[in-house]
Amino acid sequence: KNEVEQSPQNLTAQEGEFITINCSYSVGISALHWLQQHPGGGIVSLFMLSSGKKKHGRLIATINIQEKHSSLHITASHPRDSAVYICAIPLYSGGGADGLTFGKGTHLIIQP
Amino acid sequence: EAQVTQNPRYLITVTGKKLTVTCSQNMNHEYMSWYRQDPGLGLRQIYYSMNVEVTDKGDVPEGYKVSRKEKRNFPLILESPSPNQTSLYFCASSPSVLGSPLHFGNGTRLTVT
Repeated sequence: KNEVEQSPQNLTAQEGEFITINCSYSVGISALHWLQQHPGGGIVSLFMLSSGKKKHGRLIATINIQEKHSSLHITASHPRDSAVYICAIPLYSGGGADGLTFGKGTHLIIQP
Repeated sequence: EAQVTQNPRYLITVTGKKLTVTCSQNMNHEYMSWYRQDPGLGLRQIYYSMNVEVTDKGDVPEGYKVSRKEKRNFPLILESPSPNQTSLYFCASSPSVLGSPLHFGNGTRLTVT
């Protein structure tokens, strides 16, 4: 079974700080999702990446397929970035990918 | 607007009373799936569908049924709900199982008493 570990579980930081959230997994994958869940409960897909780095605004996601590790960075963090960040990887069975398996999430609070 | 529409948002029911949570997407996505989210356990896959008439079990399928008669709709059926099915449920769709974009519905908070 694919295992996904996120760290840290909880992170409180001051506005403006550079934030790093990590995701490690146990099997080889072809792609990885980063998701954001705000306190209201809705889930939004931030990135899907299979290699290298992607950037969207103040968010940067990197992945190292060989090391089985991905990071999500937030530059110039803002209180509106407060959310749970979840990484998700393919769930493989004998025939290929069936769906996604998820990390337990990183609960981020940015204080003004 | 591309979206996954999930209804209802909130549902309180009693043990044993059959219920259906609807999910519809307007993006012609082939892949749809259902997840439940519980404190400390994160998101877990219940059922998924690769295409019309093709469905399969995820990690936690017990007590649930699904159907995919049309590409856009993927309802989740609880034939005889029990209190351990109290949870937050999400439907999601994407062009393929590893496709992007991945869209989630707004969630259904179900309470079974």
